[in-house]
Amino acid sequence: EAQLVESGGNLVQPGGSLRLSCAASGFIFSDYWIHWFRQVPGKGLVWVSRINKDGSSTTYADSVKGRFTMSRDNSKNTVYLQMSSLRAEDTAVYYCTRAFGNIHGYGGYDPWGQGTLVIVSS
Amino acid sequence: DIQMTQSPSSLSASVGDRVTITCRASQTIDSHLNWFQQNPGKPPKLLIYGASILQGGVPSRFSGTGSGTDFTLIISSLQPEDLATYFCQQSYSTPLTFGGGTNVEIK
Repeated sequence: EAQLVESGGNLVQPGGSLRLSCAASGFIFSDYWIHWFRQVPGKGLVWVSRINKDGSSTTYADSVKGRFTMSRDNSKNTVYLQMSSLRAEDTAVYYCTRAFGNIHGYGGYDPWGQGTLVIVSS
Repeated sequence: DIQMTQSPSSLSASVGDRVTITCRASQTIDSHLNWFQQNPGKPPKLLIYGASILQGGVPSRFSGTGSGTDFTLIISSLQPEDLATYFCQQSYSTPLTFGGGTNVEIK
C-alpha cells in the first residue's frame, strides 16, 4: 500500500527556518511527482510546491517563492521542504501527496500523508 | 490564477437523499478537475479525478460530471459516513487551486 509520512513540523519564531520531510513507501518513489499543500485548521487547502520525478524541476506558489525550497532524495524515498524566513501566515498543517496520471493525461493526488503542523509564532 | 467557485458552502440532507455540489472554474480547465472529501483532523481523500473517474475504493454512489468550466459532484444516496467537507480542485495549471468547500451535514 502506498503511504506518505510527513515529519519535521514544530513551533518556530518568525524569521526562522524549518525542514519538513515526507517519507514514501509502498510504491516506486522515483516514478512520481510529489506536491506539498498546506491548510490552516478549519480553512481551505492551498498548494505550496511540486517536484518532478528526478528532482530537476520545482515549482512554487508565489507566496513561498524565494523562501521555500523543495528537494528529493530518491535513494531515501524522501522529499524535503526547506522553509526559511518563516512568517505567521505560514502557520498551517503541511501535507505531501503523490501525483498520478492516466494515459489520457488526467490525474489526481493520492495518497496524502497525515500532515505535520508548523506554527510560526514568537 | 484559476479561481474555483464552489456551491453551496453548506448543505443539510437526509440519509438516502441525492446530493449535488457544483464547481465553476474561472477559465476552461478541460476535465482537469478533482473532488476530495475531508473530515476534521484528517488529510483529504481523493474521490474523483479527471472530472468523472472514480478513484479506486471509492463507493459508486459518488460520481462526477462536467468539462470546460462547470462541474458537478453527485452523491446518489447520502450515507451517514458521508458527513464531511468536499472540495473541488483544478489540476490544469499551477498554482493548483481549490474551491471554498462544501460542508455536508446529515439531517
